[in-house]
Amino acid sequence: ELKVEQNPLFLSMQEGKNYTIYCNYSTTSDRLYWYRQDPGKSLESLFVLLSNGAVKQEGRLMASLDTKARLSTLHITAAVHDLSATYFCAVGLLGGNQFYFGTGTSLTVIP
Amino acid sequence: DADVTQTPRNRITKTGKRIMLECSQTKGHDRMYWYRQDPGLGLRLIYYSFDVKDINKGEISDGYSVSRQAQAKFSLSLESAIPNQTALYFCATQGFSYNEQFFGPGTRLTVL
Repeated sequence: ELKVEQNPLFLSMQEGKNYTIYCNYSTTSDRLYWYRQDPGKSLESLFVLLSNGAVKQEGRLMASLDTKARLSTLHITAAVHDLSATYFCAVGLLGGNQFYFGTGTSLTVIP
Repeated sequence: DADVTQTPRNRITKTGKRIMLECSQTKGHDRMYWYRQDPGLGLRLIYYSFDVKDINKGEISDGYSVSRQAQAKFSLSLESAIPNQTALYFCATQGFSYNEQFFGPGTRLTVL
């Protein structure tokens, strides 16, 4: 069974600061996804990372993947209040079709 | 645009009742999934289907059943609901590019 661990589980940060969310997984994978969920809402796809060393950026968010370390990071630059949400990573097994989700990181950006 | 829809959006029911959650999609995807979300546990896979004739159990299928009526429709049933099935339920489809999954709006189910 593939285990996916995110940390921190809760993150409170001030506007303008930088921070990184970590996603570790236990088994070889070739695909990693980041999603955002606003309270009471569905999951919105942010990034799809498909190879070792992949880096994707959108606005103040940047995601990277190190398949050798089985680690993905979601870096937040100069946080703004609109980034407050829960962020999930999800890992797909090599050659498989299922996703395994992390427990989520609840981010609150304080003005 | 509502590519993946779920009905009902909210439901309160009593222990022992049968309940069905429905999912429809207009994305044309063959693969569909049902997840439940509980606070602090992320999303866990209940069942998934690759086509009308292909149904597979996920991590937590006990107490649930599914029906794939057509490529576009995938229903989740709780034959005899119990309180620990109170959760937020999501349907998802899986795309052809990068196997990305697309989620419906969710159904909040409360079992009293």
